[in-house]
Amino acid sequence: KAGVTQTPRYLIKTRGQQVTLSCSPISGHRSVSWYQQTPGQGLQFLFEYFSETQRNKGNFPGRFSGRQFSNSRSEMNVSTLELGDSALYLCASRSGQGQGSTLHFGNGTRLTVT
Amino acid sequence: GEDVEQSLFLSVREGDSSVINCTYTDSSSTYLYWYKQEPGAGLQLLTYIFSNMDMKQDQRLTVLLNKKDKHLSLRIADTQTGDSAIYFCAAAASGGSYIPTFGRGTSLIVHP
Repeated sequence: KAGVTQTPRYLIKTRGQQVTLSCSPISGHRSVSWYQQTPGQGLQFLFEYFSETQRNKGNFPGRFSGRQFSNSRSEMNVSTLELGDSALYLCASRSGQGQGSTLHFGNGTRLTVT
Repeated sequence: GEDVEQSLFLSVREGDSSVINCTYTDSSSTYLYWYKQEPGAGLQLLTYIFSNMDMKQDQRLTVLLNKKDKHLSLRIADTQTGDSAIYFCAAAASGGSYIPTFGRGTSLIVHP
């Protein structure tokens, strides 16, 4: 079974631009979560989607948004990029939402904002 | 909300045992996880334990849970240089979204 796939692996953007990251979950997994990883803050939860609906949201500004498609693939968008948005963005999928379902991570998209 | 703490670094000699410690604050945390991250990669689930268990063993890995003290540890027996990585502890509470909160990660360095 293929793992979680994130594209692209690397991105370089300029302050003020916007960016879209993509995530394809493990086949059969309906939940997709997004995390931001930085050296200073560690792993911070952004949001989770389940069956095309945002079910949970972390404490990030509205510049960070996402969506999920009917095939469970998800995209994350960051608008008006700031230097502090430079991070590794990790996507994770799980089969369900509740107990016993574990997160499976992709290799991430490394975003650099200059 | 939940807060998960880990020490940042651990250095061991090849062949020794490594013990990585973690504490969490939410006593309703039901699921406790250990993930491993190698350079340039995402997080790989190593093992997890339910809060009704004290110990779980999986080959070279032993997880110990002290629920009273909200303390979790991961022991790696016969540590190898290939075990060098960042290890993350995470806790998820029941009765809600089961979104795990992650610690900052412990960087394990294994010396030959």
